[in-house]
Formats: sequence, structure tokens, C-alpha cells
Amino acid sequence: SQTIHQWPATLVQPVGSPLSLECTVEGTSNPNLYWYRQAAGRGLQLLFYSVGIGQISSEVPQNLSASRPQDRQFILSSKKLLLSDSGFYLCAWSRPTRIEAFFGQGTRLTVV
Amino acid sequence: AQSVTQLDSQVPVFEEAPVELRCNYSSSVSVYLFWYVQYPNQGLQLLLKYLSGSTLVESINGFEAEFNKSQTSFHLRKPSVHISDTAEYFCASRGAGSYQLTFGKGTKLSVIP
Repeated sequence: SQTIHQWPATLVQPVGSPLSLECTVEGTSNPNLYWYRQAAGRGLQLLFYSVGIGQISSEVPQNLSASRPQDRQFILSSKKLLLSDSGFYLCAWSRPTRIEAFFGQGTRLTVV
Repeated sequence: AQSVTQLDSQVPVFEEAPVELRCNYSSSVSVYLFWYVQYPNQGLQLLLKYLSGSTLVESINGFEAEFNKSQTSFHLRKPSVHISDTAEYFCASRGAGSYQLTFGKGTKLSVIP
């Protein structure tokens, strides 16, 4: 069976510090990978998606970047965090030939 | 672009009562619809999906949703809720050929003992 791992579960970072959130998928190959952000009262917003190694598409302009160094690894980064980067970040995956997406447990990021 | 509207941000309901969580989506030639459930401080779990075929879809824990193309709705229902159903529920859509899931803002279901 397929599983998705996301870490850390919670993170408190000062403004201006760097960020690295990691997501890995097991039990499948060549998945589509996604980073979403969930802000209070605003639902989920797609930040990035990737259909293959090194292929990243950004949905919204922002202070964050994403990378996919390996087939089943997806990393969300920032060089300098802003207060507005606080939120709940969710990684997700889907099979290339299937429609539905499956989510990780999320990372609660608080920028102070 | 797709849009999804969940009209109710919070729905309190007594245990064993029926519940309906409403969801409307923007019309598209071909659209896929989903309901996800989120328990506190956890990720989203896929509850059920409509891809094609029968307009009534069911989950293993008693929820069902009906795709209504004329009303562009995909309401979630359960005839008798349990305490364990307390969670936030998200409706989502995905247009054919798109990678993006578009989510509603969520409905918090609170089941009262």
C-alpha cells in the first residue's frame, strides 16, 4: 500500500529564518506531488505541483519555493520566512492516471 | 477557473440526527467532485468521490453524496451521525485535464451528545 510521510509535524520559526519541509511517498512510482497551504477560514490553496523529477509548477506568487530532487520526495523551502507564511502545510500525491489525491498529516508552521 | 462554495461554515447537530453539508461547484464541461474529512491537527482523508457513472456515491462509514448537474451541487448526507463524525469537511472539485483540486472553505460538523 502507499503511504505519505510529512515532517516535521509542528514548527515554530522566527521571521527571516529559512524553512525546509519534507514530504516522501512510499509504495508507488512517478506520483504527481502537491503542496497545499491551509490558512484559518480560507480553505486550502495549491502552492506547487510536480509531475516529475525537477518539474515544478507554481500556482501563486509567494515567498516559498519547491523542489523535487527524487521521484518520491518533495521539499518546500523558503530563504526568509514572513509572518504571513504561518499556516498548515499539506503535502499530497496522486497517481498520474488517477484523479483523486491523498494527503499527508500536515505541518503546522508558526512564524514568530 | 473552478470554484467551490460551502455555504455553511459550522453545522451543529445532535447525535443520531441526520445531517446535510452543502456544496456547490462552478459549472464545467467535465468535473470530478470529492469530499474530504479533516480531524483536528491531521491531514485530509478522502471520504468519497464522484468521477462518472452513478450520481449517488457512498462511503464506508455511512456518508453519501449526490451529484446534481442541473443544480451544480454535491451535498454530503448522513442519516444518523455519531460523535466520532465531529470534524471539518471539505468539498473539492477538479476539472478534466487539470492537476489542481479546488477546495471549498470547509464546514465544521459538531455532533452534540
